[in-house]
Amino acid sequence: DIQMTQSPSSLSASVGDRVTITCRASQTISNSLNWYQQKPGKAPKVLIYAASTLQSGVPSRFSGSGSGTDFTLTISSLQPEDFATYYCQQTYSTPRTFGQGTKVEIK
Amino acid sequence: EVQLVESGGGLVKPGGSLRLSCAASGFTFSSYIMNWVRQAPGKGLEWLSSISSSSSYIYYADSVKGRFTISRDNAGNSLYLQMNSLRAEDTAVYYCARDRSAYNYMDIWGKGTTVTVSS
Repeated sequence: DIQMTQSPSSLSASVGDRVTITCRASQTISNSLNWYQQKPGKAPKVLIYAASTLQSGVPSRFSGSGSGTDFTLTISSLQPEDFATYYCQQTYSTPRTFGQGTKVEIK
Repeated sequence: EVQLVESGGGLVKPGGSLRLSCAASGFTFSSYIMNWVRQAPGKGLEWLSSISSSSSYIYYADSVKGRFTISRDNAGNSLYLQMNSLRAEDTAVYYCARDRSAYNYMDIWGKGTTVTVSS
């Protein structure tokens, strides 16, 4: 199985900050990497698919990059509604494993 | 409106069974791969199973293989998860999610149904 490791597990940031979350795969996954945002008590929502494609309706302050084993989700200017937990997921092979999540909290 | 609504969760004793349902509306259900994903209390997301549009291809996570069975009824626009031999560690919120198969991401999710396994 492909293991997905996110870092950091949590971070504190202020509104307006630039935030970067990293996801590393245990083996190459090409660009088969998606990013999801989840708020407490809610279902996840896709932000980025195929490593760098912004899902329709998602603000442009979110961006994704990477290929192979190392991937990054960047929020260029953190907004109050962005405080949430973020998950990466590989879809290169089954099982389609998720990272452990990164909780973004208010500083 | 494109929508997925899960049902069938509840309290069940260890070793028991439960069948979850996911009702789809607002899109051509028979054209999409569908998934089940769960989240244990305070934990992260865990992909459980996928089923192709015609049920020809089915995949499971090792944690549920042999105990859970995914199925679908395209005529009735419904997805199912039959869960047998339930364990305490199966306690979670269970989500169904639609798959955009060109890129294999889950773009539509239900609100989830809660399964609690406890004596």
